[in-house]
Amino acid sequence: DGGITQSPKYLFRKEGQNVTLSCEQNLNHDAMYWYRQDPGQGLRLIYYSQIVNDFQKGDIAEGYSVSREKKESFPLTVTSAQKNPTAFYLCASSIGAGEYEQYFGPGTRLTVT
Amino acid sequence: GENVEQHPSTLSVQEGDSAVIKCTYSDSASNYFPWYKQELGKRPQLIIDIRSNVGEKKDQRIAVTLNKTAKHFSLHITETQPEDSAVYFCAAANYGQNFVFGPGTRLSVLP
Repeated sequence: DGGITQSPKYLFRKEGQNVTLSCEQNLNHDAMYWYRQDPGQGLRLIYYSQIVNDFQKGDIAEGYSVSREKKESFPLTVTSAQKNPTAFYLCASSIGAGEYEQYFGPGTRLTVT
Repeated sequence: GENVEQHPSTLSVQEGDSAVIKCTYSDSASNYFPWYKQELGKRPQLIIDIRSNVGEKKDQRIAVTLNKTAKHFSLHITETQPEDSAVYFCAAANYGQNFVFGPGTRLSVLP
């Protein structure tokens, strides 16, 4: 399945709690990405990282944070500042940024009540 | 920055017919155009891609055409089957830049 995993598959949290979504890849890819997908919507970029210890905000970074301490791992924290966190979250990786195929993980469906 | 539009948003075809989805992009520097298929509740998967130095690419029942002058590219699926039912996303990218995805097309193939 492309060597990129996300856990857990489903996650439930109470409003006001921070939650961290895991993303791991064994493809030796330099670039990693986090997307948010709402029902019937496209893919919106939250954060991306082109190299270890460096990451950049995407189009909808407010209320989210990331880290990239290892090449294989790019965890996403959904903070209590995110006003509407319930969504399907997809992690992806690629050899490099730009004109390279992005491989997606299976996604985490987060529900906040 | 880049902006990608995609049409139609929904498409229903009879099994065996062809389906065409069209995308337009705004940045003439974009040089990579992938198409992803996402089945319900699953991850997007690349089905075909094309680079700016090529006008057309085929892979069995799937083809993509690119018109750089008009800044549009299209996905063509022939002899559609029920398993082709999914949401299809186009994207555009340039060297060192992130993908910009279109909003998606929900394709339904009716038996």
